[in-house]
Amino acid sequence: GQNIDQPTEMTATEGAIVQINCTYQTSGFNGLFWYQQHAGEAPTFLSYNVLDGLEEKGRFSSFLSRSKGYSYLLLKELQMKDSASYLCAVSDSNYQLIWGAGTKLIIKP
Amino acid sequence: IAGITQAPTSQILAAGRRMTLRCTQDMRHNAMYWYRQDLGLGLRLIHYSNTAGTTGKGEVPDGYSVSRANTDDFPLTLASAVPSQTSVYFCASSPDSSGANVLTFGAGSRLTVL
Repeated sequence: GQNIDQPTEMTATEGAIVQINCTYQTSGFNGLFWYQQHAGEAPTFLSYNVLDGLEEKGRFSSFLSRSKGYSYLLLKELQMKDSASYLCAVSDSNYQLIWGAGTKLIIKP
Repeated sequence: IAGITQAPTSQILAAGRRMTLRCTQDMRHNAMYWYRQDLGLGLRLIHYSNTAGTTGKGEVPDGYSVSRANTDDFPLTLASAVPSQTSVYFCASSPDSSGANVLTFGAGSRLTVL
């Protein structure tokens, strides 16, 4: 079966760095997405990786290793507004998105 | 402002009633999707439409139906609601259905079936 695993919850301190991991097993691979979802709101797009390596976008970076079925989202200089759930999703061989359950990130002052 | 509009925002519904969740986008996106989101689970695809006039079944289609008469609208109908359909429903769209497309989501419809 197809599976996306990510930690349920993480806690970090304002100003620090946090890494949210995502491992996947899917039938085919057409890219990996990270979305941010604040409580009670819709998911919004953060990043897309289809080739191995690191993609940097401001305070957020996303890494992909296709051979390991692994990605991480790196958040630097954490701010209170970064408190949210972070969703990992993989596009499979049929271009259907398979979603992880999300990682709830709690930022403490 | 371009985006997706969902209605209603929230609804409490008696079991056995029929309910239609509305979704309209103004971005001229070809592909549209309906997901449900439940605590502890990832977003699960209910139905999708790659282009106007076509629809397809997702991971959890039972008890739901959709139509795509035009590019902009993609309503989701629960023919006879059951308590297990209590959830938050998100409509989403993307320019097309290929793998690199970013989804834009509506604000969600919170449905409670009693």
